[in-house]
Amino acid sequence: EIVLTQSPATLSLSPGERATLSCRASQSVSSYLAWYQQKPGQAPRLLIYDASNRATGIPARFSGSGSGTDFTLTISSLEPEDFAVYYCQQRSNSITFGQGTRLEIK
Amino acid sequence: EVQLVESGGGLVQPGRSLRLSCAASGFTFDDYAMHWVRQAPGKGLEWVSGISWNSGSIGYADSVKGRFTISRDNAKNSLYLQMNSLRAEDTALYYCAKDIMGTGTTSFYFDYWGQGTLVTVSS
Repeated sequence: EIVLTQSPATLSLSPGERATLSCRASQSVSSYLAWYQQKPGQAPRLLIYDASNRATGIPARFSGSGSGTDFTLTISSLEPEDFAVYYCQQRSNSITFGQGTRLEIK
Repeated sequence: EVQLVESGGGLVQPGRSLRLSCAASGFTFDDYAMHWVRQAPGKGLEWVSGISWNSGSIGYADSVKGRFTISRDNAKNSLYLQMNSLRAEDTALYYCAKDIMGTGTTSFYFDYWGQGTLVTVSS
């Protein structure tokens, strides 16, 4: 099973700042990686797929990069609604999710 | 508007069975693969099972293989999950999720999710 490790576990930032979230795979997943956002009491929302493709309706401030084992989700300038939990997910070998990064308001 | 509405959750004793349903609307259901993803209380996400548009390809997580069965009825725009031999560790909110790729392709990325149905396995 491919293990995805997300860091940091919690990220404390202020609106307007840049957020950088990391996801590391235990073995190469090529570019088969997605990012999701989940707010309390809500279902997850797809942000990025195939490492760098924004899903339909996702604002341009969200971007994804990386390949192989190291991936990054960047939020260029945080809006109040961006504070949530973020998960990465790979589909290279079965399907697994990372444990999540909580992005909280500083 | 895409809508996915799960039902069938509840409290069930260990070893018993439960059948979840997901009613889909707002898109051409038989064009897309569908999936079940679960989330234990306060925990992360776990893919449970997926089924291709025509039921020709089905996959399961190792944790449920042999106990859970996914199926779909394209005429009824519905997805199902038959869960047998339930265990305490199956306690979770079960989401129905739509694959992003249509036209017979399964991407294993999920662009629309329902609100989930809670399954609690306890004596």
